[in-house]
Amino acid sequence: SQQGEEDPQALSIQEGENATMNCSYKTSINNLQWYRQNSGRGLVHLILIRSNEREKHSGRLRVTLDTSKKSSSLLITASRAADTASYFCATDDSGNTPLVFGKGTRLSVIA
Amino acid sequence: DAGVTQSPTHLIKTRGQQVTLRCSPKSGHDTVSWYQQALGQGPQFIFQYYEEEERQRGNFPDRFSGHQFPNYSSELNVNALLLGDSALYLCASRSSGSLETQYFGPGTRLLVL
Repeated sequence: SQQGEEDPQALSIQEGENATMNCSYKTSINNLQWYRQNSGRGLVHLILIRSNEREKHSGRLRVTLDTSKKSSSLLITASRAADTASYFCATDDSGNTPLVFGKGTRLSVIA
Repeated sequence: DAGVTQSPTHLIKTRGQQVTLRCSPKSGHDTVSWYQQALGQGPQFIFQYYEEEERQRGNFPDRFSGHQFPNYSSELNVNALLLGDSALYLCASRSSGSLETQYFGPGTRLLVL
């Protein structure tokens, strides 16, 4: 079963705009990660945030984590057409437990 | 340094047949996990192999089995294929001695007719 939900399910924006995706989960976690998937192929790891962290940045990506609300957000700034993909959040409750994924957000960036 | 590789990339089978998918982990990784991703869904954990043994298993029937070899590569076997087994099968690897995240392969897309 899925751990949580990303929302929105689909998002369409113009190039240069910011894209925000949200993820909610159900149980306590150790880490939360965001992945990108292009055209139904392999998952590319974007960023990991630990349960004791509240915000993390990597290039144009900004991730926040609110463990009290069991939610996370991924912000992509100054989006590009190449950012068009599906984005998934995944959680684990310890270093060696399997990742539990949401259903993903399909992002379309229009040039 | 090659990342995680999987073969084949695509596969078409008919109901009732058996299939074997293969995965080579990233160099230095000793733990391999398999995930099934149905169309429009997120990946779902099938099982994990470490030291040639199945260590953890998700909610999948016994028709799904696996193997890990001494060189850490792994196979996923599915018997008595059903139409619902059509999916993208993803392999992920990590190092048991590291807090580093898992790395995913490109996947094998299986179509069952």
